[in-house]
Amino acid sequence: EVQLVESGGGLVQPGGSLRLSCAASGFTVSSNYMSWVRQAPGKGLEWVSVIYSGGSTYYADSVKGRFTISRDNSKNTLYLQMNSLRAEDTAVYYCARVRVGFGELSFDPWGQGTLVTVSS
Amino acid sequence: SSELTQDPAVSVALGQTVRITCQGDSLRSYYASWYQQKPGQAPVLVIYGKNNRPSGIPDRFSGSSSGNTASLTITGAQAEDEADYYCNSRDSSGNLVVFGGGTKLTVL
Repeated sequence: EVQLVESGGGLVQPGGSLRLSCAASGFTVSSNYMSWVRQAPGKGLEWVSVIYSGGSTYYADSVKGRFTISRDNSKNTLYLQMNSLRAEDTAVYYCARVRVGFGELSFDPWGQGTLVTVSS
Repeated sequence: SSELTQDPAVSVALGQTVRITCQGDSLRSYYASWYQQKPGQAPVLVIYGKNNRPSGIPDRFSGSSSGNTASLTITGAQAEDEADYYCNSRDSSGNLVVFGGGTKLTVL
């Protein structure tokens, strides 16, 4: 069964750091595109970052320079290192496998999400 | 990056057909994908590509596209279809991703 399980969320002060993990089972992270998507309380989905199977990484303008996506092939795990956190980064963070096809990019499956709260 | 625009809310009578739309310049180059999200749950992919359904998604869900507008159609809406629906696509550069703001579907 293909499954993603996030961890690492919690309460952090503004300016602080946090690292999220996403453990995958049923498929190989390094052979797929993987992504992080977040959802602020009561708000819509916001794409955060993607890592291609070849290692290229891309970020939303809102997190570029502060967040870093990476993976550990030996652990089959995806990470999101979040630095210089702001109140507006408060959200549930989902990891998702990326499905890429001709002219399309979609997310399937998604993890259950982990809540990050940035507050003093 | 480009933006995708969705109507905030749509309603449909039980058993009737409803269309949820998503507009954006990137949709002239890329297909939209659609997700269903129920309260307290992670999103679930319901349509991807030209008009493809992942395994387990009922065939009452279908997708279409014309110009800068993509549509998700639910034919014979059921009570369990009441949820938030989001579209996404690559942005115009092809390397970034954009989501629509979401549509809250109410089944009356």
